[in-house]
Amino acid sequence: ETGVTQTPRHLVMGMTNKKSLKCEQHLGHNAMYWYKQSAKKPLELMFVYSLEERVENNSVPSRFSPECPNSSHLFLHLHTLQPEDSALYLCASSQVRGGNSPLHFGNGTRLTVT
Amino acid sequence: AQSVTQLDSQVPVFEEAPVELRCNYSSSVSVYLFWYVQYPNQGLQLLLKYLSGSTLVKGINGFEAEFNKSQTSFHLRKPSVHISDTAEYFCAVSPSGGSYIPTFGRGTSLIVHP
Repeated sequence: ETGVTQTPRHLVMGMTNKKSLKCEQHLGHNAMYWYKQSAKKPLELMFVYSLEERVENNSVPSRFSPECPNSSHLFLHLHTLQPEDSALYLCASSQVRGGNSPLHFGNGTRLTVT
Repeated sequence: AQSVTQLDSQVPVFEEAPVELRCNYSSSVSVYLFWYVQYPNQGLQLLLKYLSGSTLVKGINGFEAEFNKSQTSFHLRKPSVHISDTAEYFCAVSPSGGSYIPTFGRGTSLIVHP
């Protein structure tokens, strides 16, 4: 398997549930990212990991908790979400953090909070 | 800080016609520039990038873009579009010479009609 794989593709959860999104990259990259894509809004950078260390956290609410156990895997743990958190969550990776290194995206997890 | 403006939120065009998707950026330093495409129910994938050198950059699927430093633009063009080019297109910019994460534009929806 190549590229960036995200599971699940679709997730429906209640506001009191706890769930996790998973991302795996098979590209040998050293940086991984979580983005939120909502309708009619720009792509929002949530978290950045470089060599398994979190290097950026863009004022994301604490109900979103990232985890990067190694350079190939990235998780986003979700708890007590709000309906406005419904969106497409995209994982990406790059050779190194930012700069001239293009991002490789997964196909996303479509999250619906009821 | 840098910013990206994609001037058109939607561009309808007939099949086999030429198309130009506009992107302007602002930055006080030199930049790297990227165009990404997002097909329905998929993540973003890199179309092309400008890092340095020739200002005319060729990408995948017959797309090309021209970097114009004086006009701070990086417009995307294709001489003849296909139905399969219907997608969302994102311009992104990051300052050169560092590990900066790219800033994305809001996207342009290209709709190709038969």
